[in-house]
Order: sequence, then C-alpha cells, then structure tokens
Amino acid sequence: NAGVMQNPRHLVRRRGQEARLRCSPVKGHSHVYWYRQLPEEGLKFMVYLQKENIIDESGMPKERFSAEFPKEGPSILRIQQVVRGDSAAYFCASSPDFLRETQYFGPGTRLLVL
Amino acid sequence: AQSVTQPDIHITVSEGASLELRCNYSYGATPYLFWYVQSPGQGLQLLLKYFSGDTLVQGIKGFEAEFKRSQSSFNLRKPSVHWSDAAEYFCAVGSNTDKLIFGTGTRLQVFP
Repeated sequence: NAGVMQNPRHLVRRRGQEARLRCSPVKGHSHVYWYRQLPEEGLKFMVYLQKENIIDESGMPKERFSAEFPKEGPSILRIQQVVRGDSAAYFCASSPDFLRETQYFGPGTRLLVL
Repeated sequence: AQSVTQPDIHITVSEGASLELRCNYSYGATPYLFWYVQSPGQGLQLLLKYFSGDTLVQGIKGFEAEFKRSQSSFNLRKPSVHWSDAAEYFCAVGSNTDKLIFGTGTRLQVFP
C-alpha cells in the first residue's frame, strides 16, 4: 500500500510567483490535513479538508493561501505571490473514516522562496 | 487554550542508555495523544498513540509512553537507545475530528 504522497519534494520559487503543492492521500482516506513547519519549529495546522469540502481552515493565512481536495485527484495547497516568509516544509496527512484520530503523514514539500 | 510543551529542546545520550522525552499538554477534553519521529529531511512517522484504556502504551521500535492524567503528561521512554534513534521527536494532542497540535520537538543525539 502506498502511503501519503507529496510532490514536488522540493520547490524553489522567486518572490511573487505561485507555488502549487500536491498531496495524494492513502488510498481510501477521505480526510486530508495540511501542516506547515518553519525552521526549528514544530508543525502548525493549516487546513482540514474532506472530499470537495473545507472543514477547518483556522490555520490558513487569510490572504494568498488556498486549498482544495477535489472529487478526483490530489489535494492542492496553493500559495500565490510567495514571499520569503513562506519558505518552510509543508506536510500533508490523511486519515480514514474509521480511524479519523490517526493521521498518516507524507514526506513533505520543502519550499524555498528566493 | 490547547497546547503541548516539550521542555527539552535537545537531548544527548550514549548508545545503550535509557531515554525519557517529556511531554506536557493542556487540553479541555480527554485528549488523544501521539508521539511522532522525524528523521532529517523526512516526514513524520507515528511511534505510538493513546486514546483510552491502559495508560502505558507500546509503540514501534521499542518505544513506550505513559499517560498520567494527574500530571497532564505523556512521556516517551526507551530502555536502551540505538544510534539509529537519533532524530527529532514530536508530541502531539488531538481529537477525533480535528487538527493535531504539536509540541516544538526534542532533538535526540546519540553518541556511540
């Protein structure tokens, strides 16, 4: 069984560009979570999605950040007009309906903004 | 407010020595508690979790953790550390419907 997959693993963007991060959850998992890890810090929750719905986006910055989890395809975290402060590791996690308490993490996407 | 505190930023132990990593939490309801391990440049791997029942839980790689409600703690232990255990360890608290709240992590260094 494949675990949570994220791509790209590394992404370099210049200030003002857009970053698109993809997450494919474990097959059969319908709950997806995005977290951000700044250097030397723990993970901070950003957003929780189910298929086609945003359930909790209390950790998402109000501007420039958006997330979706369409009926078909991976979940996408989109950052518009990136700034240097967006440089971080972004982790996706998924959980199944029958064990929503346990989240399984992907390897992360390391975003560097020049 | 919900929070997780890992008071030790960095711990160094000798290979074969015992290990205890501390975790304290603040949570309004009965918490679900987790320990994850992160190797450099990697994602997070679940070591163990506590939902209810026996307060001493066993995990992978020989780790265990004990839930102590009176102390709001969920400390991680291992009787004999291996060099491959060197990594960053994160304690987290959550529920069955929402996000995980992570501590800031403890970096473990193992000397031969």
